Amino acid sequence: DVKVTQSSRYLVKRTGEKVFLECVQDMDHENMFWYRQDPGLGLRLIYFSYDVKMKEKGDIPEGYSVSREKKERFSLILESASTNQTSMYLCASSLFYGAGTSYEQYFGPGTRLTVT
Amino acid sequence: DAKTTQPNSMESNEEEPVHLPCNHSTISGTDYIHWYRQLPSQGPEYVIHGLTSNVNNRMASLAIAEDRKSSTLILHRATLRDAAVYYCILSHRKDIIQGAQKLVFGQGTRLTINP
Repeated sequence: DVKVTQSSRYLVKRTGEKVFLECVQDMDHENMFWYRQDPGLGLRLIYFSYDVKMKEKGDIPEGYSVSREKKERFSLILESASTNQTSMYLCASSLFYGAGTSYEQYFGPGTRLTVT
Repeated sequence: DAKTTQPNSMESNEEEPVHLPCNHSTISGTDYIHWYRQLPSQGPEYVIHGLTSNVNNRMASLAIAEDRKSSTLILHRATLRDAAVYYCILSHRKDIIQGAQKLVFGQGTRLTINP
């Protein structure tokens, strides 16, 4: 079974702190994604990566950065956390499109981040 | 971008079939239809996807209208574990960037299963 793990289920940080959210997948997937989920707004894509050291902005990249130094690991960084970044953060991974498989994205359990 | 419309909520009984509708009247010829679901306190999980023909897998069936302007996710025999938010998503070739498929999740349908 594909497994996507996230470093914490719950995290509480103070305004202005630098925050790292870690995601690891064990299926050798090329693509990894970071979403945030807020009530009434659904899931929104922050950033994604299609290869080591390669990244693309999603729909709401402002205030975030990412790092992918190894294929299995994708980090989301909040350089200076703010209260409006309080949210559920979800990581996902998938195979490269065109590999002859479906488009499935496999999600982790999420990290609920509270910024006070 | 083609959008989907789903009912906010639906209710069904355990062990009965459930038909979850999705309207996508502006779908283009190369848009795929995906369904994901999100169980309480979990990340979304893939359910099924299709292009033109009906599709079956171990979790569900996807029935696609002939004009492709609507589709229905069918759970053949609902269990309490099927209580979740179900998302109907369209994806277009233009949403594939460097081999990564971008998905846009809407609000979905919250399905309640009564014992």
